[in-house]
Amino acid sequence: QVQLQESGPGLVQPSGTLSLTCAVFGDPISSHHWWSWVRQSPGKGLEWIGEIYHSGVPTYNPSLKNRLTMSVDKSKNQFSLNLTSVTAADTAIYYCARIVWTAHYYFDYWGQGTLVTVSS
Amino acid sequence: SSELTQDPAVSVVLGQTVTITCQGDSLRSYSASWYQQKPGQAPVLVIYANNNRPSGIPDRFSGSSSGNTASLTITGAQADDEADYFCNSRDTSNNHLDVVFGGGTKLTVL
Repeated sequence: QVQLQESGPGLVQPSGTLSLTCAVFGDPISSHHWWSWVRQSPGKGLEWIGEIYHSGVPTYNPSLKNRLTMSVDKSKNQFSLNLTSVTAADTAIYYCARIVWTAHYYFDYWGQGTLVTVSS
Repeated sequence: SSELTQDPAVSVVLGQTVTITCQGDSLRSYSASWYQQKPGQAPVLVIYANNNRPSGIPDRFSGSSSGNTASLTITGAQADDEADYFCNSRDTSNNHLDVVFGGGTKLTVL
């Protein structure tokens, strides 16, 4: 059974950097899947942040790409997110998810999510 | 980016059938997936590739797609189906890869 587990600070200062890690269990991160971050502002819908392949090639949401870096650590079977210059608008529950991308595209496994609040 | 449009709220009488729709230009080119989200929980995949159910999802959940509209149907809705439902697809309408979600439909089972 595949499981994903997000970790990172729950509180980030405005203008600071939001850093999260997603540990993957039950599937080598070097498998044929892509790995993604999705966030959900309080009471709002889902927003795709970006995705990355084990080779390290990322694809970012155009609205975030100037502040965003994603990376993969194959030795620890995890991937990470860094979002710089955060504001209150970045306050959200951040989910990591596994992507199936063959003839079709969908998120088949999700982490439980971690709430990140941007506040001083 | 492109958008996927969903009705904000839908209700269904226990045991009856309900259809939740999702509209967007990206659906003409890419398949839809659907996610169920209950309060305080992560989304759960209920339909992928327009009309396929993952293992463990009850067969009362079905999906379809035509033109720019994807649909999720629950046949014989149960109290446990009360949740938010989000549709999702890829999109390349702006000459770059993007991923879009609908705004979500809150399903109430009466």
